[in-house]
Amino acid sequence: DAGVTQSPTHLIKTRGQHVTLRCSPISGHKSVSWYQQVLGQGPQFIFQYYEKEERGRGNFPDRFSARQFPNYSSELNVNALLLGDSALYLCASSFPGETQYFGPGTRLLVL
Amino acid sequence: EDQVTQSPEALRLQEGESSSLNCSYTVSGLRGLFWYRQDPGKGPEFLFTLYSAGEEKEKERLKATLTKKESFLHITAPKPEDSATYLCAVQAATGNQFYFGTGTSLTVIP
Repeated sequence: DAGVTQSPTHLIKTRGQHVTLRCSPISGHKSVSWYQQVLGQGPQFIFQYYEKEERGRGNFPDRFSARQFPNYSSELNVNALLLGDSALYLCASSFPGETQYFGPGTRLLVL
Repeated sequence: EDQVTQSPEALRLQEGESSSLNCSYTVSGLRGLFWYRQDPGKGPEFLFTLYSAGEEKEKERLKATLTKKESFLHITAPKPEDSATYLCAVQAATGNQFYFGTGTSLTVIP
């Protein structure tokens, strides 16, 4: 069975630009969560979506937004990129309230 | 405030030298405690879920235990391929958010 997939794997952007990251969950999982992981730190929670509705939001500015589609895939959007947004962005899928399984991540570099 | 603290930050072991990693947590009601392994530049790989104090889980050279305030990941006779960062996360009884620690970077020297 395919695990969580994310695209793209790597991305280079400049300050002020916008970025869209994509995630496909494990088949049968309806919950998707997004995390930001800065080098040397643990993942920080950004959003959780279940059945296309936002179920949780971490302490991130409004420049960060997300949505979930009818097929349970998800997009994370970040506007007006800052240097500090450079990180590994992780997507995790799960059954609601259960173990989260992570994708390989998207490495974003903001110059 | 829900918090997770992992220690030590880094650990170097000789091959075969057993040790333990610690994860202490404060959470308003624990739904679950999770251990993950993360290799550089990759996503975390699920290892164990523990739900209640006294619970233990084993997988190959790894054993995870849980008390009311902390969890231990015991590594028995580690091999170089066990080198990775080990992350601990907790999920509160209310809400779905996972809170992660900063991880323990393990290096096993042949």
